[in-house]
Amino acid sequence: GAGVSQTPSNKVTEKGKYVELRCDPISGHTALYWYRQSLGQGPEFLIYFQGTGAADDSGLPNDRFFAVRPEGSVSTLKIQRTERGDSAMYLCASSYDPVAVGGITGELFFGEGSRLTVL
Amino acid sequence: AQSVTQLDSHVSVSEGTPVLLRCNYSSSYSPSLFWYVQHPNKGLQLLLKYTSAATLVKGINGFEAEFKKSETSFHLTKPSAHMSDAAEYFCASNTGGFKTIFGAGTRLFVKA
Repeated sequence: GAGVSQTPSNKVTEKGKYVELRCDPISGHTALYWYRQSLGQGPEFLIYFQGTGAADDSGLPNDRFFAVRPEGSVSTLKIQRTERGDSAMYLCASSYDPVAVGGITGELFFGEGSRLTVL
Repeated sequence: AQSVTQLDSHVSVSEGTPVLLRCNYSSSYSPSLFWYVQHPNKGLQLLLKYTSAATLVKGINGFEAEFKKSETSFHLTKPSAHMSDAAEYFCASNTGGFKTIFGAGTRLFVKA
């Protein structure tokens, strides 16, 4: 597809369950990001991939959260033992050139997000 | 550490009147600055970006923003609001790495 694709668009689950959220970035984009957006807040950085490796996962809130990108394209965000506080919109973005060159950085291309509701 | 502050959580204007959405940044280095727009149930879309070239940046849909280093500001403006401009707007900053930091957002309401 032409843009970043995220599935599912909506996910309702029960407390304690396991959830996977998928992101298919724009073809050719080497960088992939996950953000979390709570109601009334801006996107909060979770993790960044350059290729297959997680270059920075400092934004993951705890060890219940994990993300992979095994072939350098599609990424999956995995949440174990979900809690009600995990309810949020999870946004994926991709870009061409994540690393600054002389202070110039590229724009992020966002998907429409996966809304997670934990009951 | 970098941070972004959007000074208004909500702004309401009448159609045809000017729009001003305020953003201040905090950074030890000269940042790249961005404005994104988010319509309901849609992903964020880039409006414009500042990357140390011209301080007045023009974006899509008639929006522009001016980088003022002395005021650490990057306010978004539009001369005449349209109903279709009603959305959530996010100011964002990147100091040269991979991590883009977003403000809390400003919801723009446009009255007929």
